[in-house]
Amino acid sequence: DTAVSQTPKYLVTQMGNDKSIKCEQNLGHDTMYWYKQDSKKFLKIMFSYNNKELIINETVPNRFSPKSPDKAHLNLHINSLELGDSAVYFCASSQELAGVTDTQYFGPGTRLTVL
Amino acid sequence: GQNIDQPTEMTATEGAIVQINCTYQTSGFNGLFWYQQHAGEAPTFLSYNVLDGLEEKGRFSSFLSRSKGYSYLLLKELQMKDSASYLCAVRDDDYKLSFGAGTTVTVRA
Repeated sequence: DTAVSQTPKYLVTQMGNDKSIKCEQNLGHDTMYWYKQDSKKFLKIMFSYNNKELIINETVPNRFSPKSPDKAHLNLHINSLELGDSAVYFCASSQELAGVTDTQYFGPGTRLTVL
Repeated sequence: GQNIDQPTEMTATEGAIVQINCTYQTSGFNGLFWYQQHAGEAPTFLSYNVLDGLEEKGRFSSFLSRSKGYSYLLLKELQMKDSASYLCAVRDDDYKLSFGAGTTVTVRA
């Protein structure tokens, strides 16, 4: 069983389109995250939700909107896609946000290519 | 902002030992993590340090000195499958995880 799953794995789309990436975790964790990994391999936090509540919201364009329908799901919707949005997007989850030894478990990633 | 530095690349021979250094300057400290990421795959957790000293886990060990803002990951008895990128990440006072750019380790036969 996959602990953290994302769909789709690959997404190729045109500039200006709107797209969504879905994430689900079956670990019973309270906290979920979205990260962006650019071509230079830097992994940067975008959002974090704890028990469906937005906790971390980094400086991300408001074209990016996370949605958490329940504790096990955190989806990422992107409006008006731009070339610079091309990257690998990773979803992750952890037992809690402020745990002493909290480890984040990452999904397989979604490679987004904007043409 | 957070500043986490680690070497870009390292190469070593199968069976050897490699040490990957990480220095950090962050707004607060609530733990340092090392992750392994194979090309095209997700990062996977390797180790965690929050107190000074050495944590050993099989062939992998991680060291932390909070006063120096320094950590290293030691990989012993290198195997070909250890060829990957190794990411140093620091959790700050807001419990956000900031990652370094990663060190690509290439293991040669």
